[in-house]
Amino acid sequence: GAGVSQSPRYKVAKRGQDVALRCDPISGHVSLFWYQQALGQGPEFLTYFQNEAQLDKSGLPSDRFFAERPEGSVSTLKIQRTQQEDSAVYLCASSDRGDTEAFFGQGTRLTVV
Amino acid sequence: SQQGEEDPQALSIQEGENATMNCSYKTSINNLQWYRQNSGRGLVHLILIRSNEREKHSGRLRVTLDTSKKSSSLLITASRAADTASYFCATDDYKLSFGAGTTVTVRA
Repeated sequence: GAGVSQSPRYKVAKRGQDVALRCDPISGHVSLFWYQQALGQGPEFLTYFQNEAQLDKSGLPSDRFFAERPEGSVSTLKIQRTQQEDSAVYLCASSDRGDTEAFFGQGTRLTVV
Repeated sequence: SQQGEEDPQALSIQEGENATMNCSYKTSINNLQWYRQNSGRGLVHLILIRSNEREKHSGRLRVTLDTSKKSSSLLITASRAADTASYFCATDDYKLSFGAGTTVTVRA
């Protein structure tokens, strides 16, 4: 596609519910990143994929967060048993290499009620 | 943890004026990037400056990098209302590390 696409754009989840956020990166991009952005803050790194390999998941805040990219293209960020503190915008980005310009999606705004 | 820290946190200027914001970082870098984020939108890449470069221009944007001081600056010249946004610097050790950003408001 023309850019990074994320879905859904908005998600309201009841506390304790599981959610899955999808990212379609730019075709051919090797690197894929997930970030969490709280209101008024900069994006915080969550995890990084190079093709299908998850090379860094050091930013995932707890074991309730899980990300996958099984075929090296589309990625899913899953949050189990959502908590109110998980409310944030989740941004996905891709790049053709890890050290070049990253292209960001519009993000998914998650609100846990 | 966030490596880049922008300063000031907020900036309000009149249309036509220049806007300058700074970024400080902690560890050695390969390159430094600046991004813009309009309210409720994703981040848009503005400019990348490599560690062996001292200054780079792109349209109305001018970025400087001082690796000895571990700092960078972004200058927006002749600002427009459309420049109203948050600006972030990001250091690049394959995973971009962002600061909290500078919120720029350009008054018409």
